[in-house]
Amino acid sequence: SQQGEEDPQALSIQEGENATMNCSYKTSINNLQWYRQNSGRGLVHLILIRSNEREKHSGRLRVTLDTSKKSSSLLITASRAADTASYFCATVLLNGNTGGFKTIFGAGTRLFVKA
Amino acid sequence: NAGVTQTPKFRVLKTGQSMTLLCAQDMNHEYMYWYRQDPGMGLRLIHYSVGEGTTAKGEVPDGYNVSRLKKQNFLLGLESAAPSQTSVYFCASSLGTGYNEQFFGPGTRLTVL
Repeated sequence: SQQGEEDPQALSIQEGENATMNCSYKTSINNLQWYRQNSGRGLVHLILIRSNEREKHSGRLRVTLDTSKKSSSLLITASRAADTASYFCATVLLNGNTGGFKTIFGAGTRLFVKA
Repeated sequence: NAGVTQTPKFRVLKTGQSMTLLCAQDMNHEYMYWYRQDPGMGLRLIHYSVGEGTTAKGEVPDGYNVSRLKKQNFLLGLESAAPSQTSVYFCASSLGTGYNEQFFGPGTRLTVL
């Protein structure tokens, strides 16, 4: 898999259902972030989970991280039509060249919530 | 606060033409980034800057140049546009790296004919 690869590529659900998106990565990370992109707009940060955390909540969002499996999931509960967007995971890892960090974005999951 | 702004929003170029995309942020962020977004490929980093007067290459820097003369501005230049540079370009900024989120502009849709 690529660093930060989302699954599924596209997801269509009914309003009120839960939506789960997964992200897998290859190398060790410092933290993992999820972003949302509405059609024709820039990305907006949703939530960050550190490598030593296993679960994090923010409103209707629940993020899990399993560093042993190198994977994360984003759960949106009780979805709404307004949740229709693309969702991207971003893995933040050490940049061996600079000593700082670099962020790598996945290709995203397109979520469509039907009213 | 306007956040991160980009100009122009849309542009059509002919092969070989040049142009500059302007990104401005009013959050006093040190770090700024230019990405391109192509269907099915997510965001790819073109160039970035860790502070005023600095620039560095990202994942796909060929065919692009950048400048960061002022802390709040980050310019992306295409000296001789090619059809392969047709894409949506996003600028982003952040306070730092690591645990800092990136703030994105609305994007510039560029078509090179």
